[in-house]
Amino acid sequence: DAGVTQSPTHLIKTRGQQVTLRCSPKSGHDTVSWYQQALGQGPQFIFQYYEEEERQRGNFPDRFSGHQFPNYSSELNVNALLLGDSALYLCASSFLPGGGTDTQYFGPGTRLTVL
Amino acid sequence: QKEVEQDPGPLSVPEGAIVSLNCTYSNSAFQYFMWYRQYSRKGPELLMYTYSSGNKEDGRFTAQVDKSSKYISLFIRDSQPSDSATYLCAMDRIQGAQKLVFGQGTRLTINP
Repeated sequence: DAGVTQSPTHLIKTRGQQVTLRCSPKSGHDTVSWYQQALGQGPQFIFQYYEEEERQRGNFPDRFSGHQFPNYSSELNVNALLLGDSALYLCASSFLPGGGTDTQYFGPGTRLTVL
Repeated sequence: QKEVEQDPGPLSVPEGAIVSLNCTYSNSAFQYFMWYRQYSRKGPELLMYTYSSGNKEDGRFTAQVDKSSKYISLFIRDSQPSDSATYLCAMDRIQGAQKLVFGQGTRLTINP
């Protein structure tokens, strides 16, 4: 059973560009959350998708947007990249049967470097 | 002030030692407390999950939560070199919300 997968593994962009990161959740999971982890810091919650809609959002600007597809996979898009967007972007998946659970499974992350 | 404070270390101990990792938090709304382990170049892996105050034990790992002091701990007994990793505490307000607030992480090295 494949766990959470993310692509690409690494990415280098320049300031002002746009980037799309992808995530496939663990089999049987229907909810995807995205986190940003700067070097030497803990992950910070960006947003969460459930039933193809943004369910909740952290303190990130509108430059950060996302999408969830009918197969539960998800994309994270970042527009107008800034140097400060350089980080490890983590995807976490879980199953939300009504009340929900806090057991999230994290992928290996995508390392984004903005030059 | 950050909602969750965690000493980043680094912490280095000999194999077999008891390791104590700690976090403090400021928001009394947090009800669910987790510890994650993150190896280099990997995503975080859930180690322990605790609701409200009290202790929880799983093998060599024990998690403690003291809500009155807003303080949580993770103890590792008989530490092994394979325990070398970054340990992250995380908290949530509502069960199932999954809007986790993480500490900075403590980098731990177990020396053979």
